[in-house]
Formats: sequence, C-alpha cells, structure tokens
Amino acid sequence: QLQLQESGPGLVKPSETLSLTCTVSGGSISSSSYYWGWIRQPPGKGLEWIGSIYYSGSTYYNPSLKSRVTISVDTSKNQFSLKLSSVTAADTAVYYCARHKYQLPQHFDYWGQGTLVTVSS
Amino acid sequence: DIQMTQSPSSLSASVGDRVTITCRASQGISNYLAWYQQKPGKVPKLLIYAASTLQSGVPSRFSGSGSGTDFTLTISSLQPEDVATYYCQKYNSASWTFGQGTKVEIK
Repeated sequence: QLQLQESGPGLVKPSETLSLTCTVSGGSISSSSYYWGWIRQPPGKGLEWIGSIYYSGSTYYNPSLKSRVTISVDTSKNQFSLKLSSVTAADTAVYYCARHKYQLPQHFDYWGQGTLVTVSS
Repeated sequence: DIQMTQSPSSLSASVGDRVTITCRASQGISNYLAWYQQKPGKVPKLLIYAASTLQSGVPSRFSGSGSGTDFTLTISSLQPEDVATYYCQKYNSASWTFGQGTKVEIK
C-alpha cells in the first residue's frame, strides 16, 4: 500500500524559507506513471495546489507561488521536497504531499497525512 | 488561469435528501475534473475523477456529471457520515486548481 509522509519544521520565522520533505513508501517515486505534488490548506480555508514534480525533475508550479517555490526530487531516497521562500503569516497552512498520474486523468489519488507549518516570530 | 467556482458555499439538508453541488469552470476543461470529500480534521479523499468515474470503494450514492464548463456532484440520499466539505478540482494545461469548497451539514 502506497504511503506518503510529510516531515519538516512546524514553525518557521517570517522572511525565512519553509522546507518540507515527503517520503514515499510502498512504491517507487521513479515510476514513469506518476507526478508527485504539494498542496496546502490554510486553517479554515480551502485547498491550494502548490506544484508537482516528475521523477526526472520536470516541474509544474502554481503561477501565484512560482517565484517563491522550488520542488526537487531525490530518487535514491524515494523523497521529494518543497522549499517556499520569503514566507509570511499567509503561508501558515497544513501542507500535504500527494500523487497524481503522468497521463490523464490526473487527479490526486494518494495523500499524506499533512503537516501544519506555522509562520511566526 | 482557469478558475473553478463552486455553489453553494454551504448547505444544510436532511438525512435521505438528494444533494447537488455545482462546479463551474471559467473555460472549458472537457471532463478533466475530480471531486474530493474532506471531513473535519481529515485528509481529502478522492470521490470521483474524469467528471463521472467513481473511485473504487466510494459508495454508489455519490455520482458526478458534466463536461466542458459545468459539473455536478450528487449525493442521492444524504447520510450522517457525508457531513464534510466537498471540493472540485480541475486538471489540465499543467495546472491543478481547486474550487473553494462546499460545506455540507445535516439539518
């Protein structure tokens, strides 16, 4: 059974860089069939797609966040990572990692449990 | 970018009622649409993809329809365990956008 698990600091200071890692188990991140993505949800609000990465390193980013986001993959560790720079309180959210297919349909079928990141001094 | 608008933002219905949630895309997206259910404090769960295909294990009272710009999620007979927020999501043109969500409560 595929499992995804987010990890990283739960508290980040304003203007600093948020860094999270998603570890994939029960399947290979190097599968040619899937992209791996990040989604976030501010407290009490809706879902926002941040970006997605293929095992080759090809990425897609949400245009509204693109200037601050970097997603990378480490196939040797079966992990992919998120970096979000220059964070503010508006970046406080539960961050989820998830999987979607490379080919259509590209819905998110497996999700991590999510990790709350609070931006505060 | 294509925007996804859900309506209503919230609704209250009785157990056994038929419930319909609408999702409208600002441009045509064929059938590149999914629906998710998120119960309070839980991870979003995939219900439907390709606008009308029921994900394995999802009760048959859930159904989806639509193509192009207008889509619907229907719960044929609302159950207490269906209390949740429902999100539509489009996937096309290398962009994955969610609707703002519809909160479903029991009257």
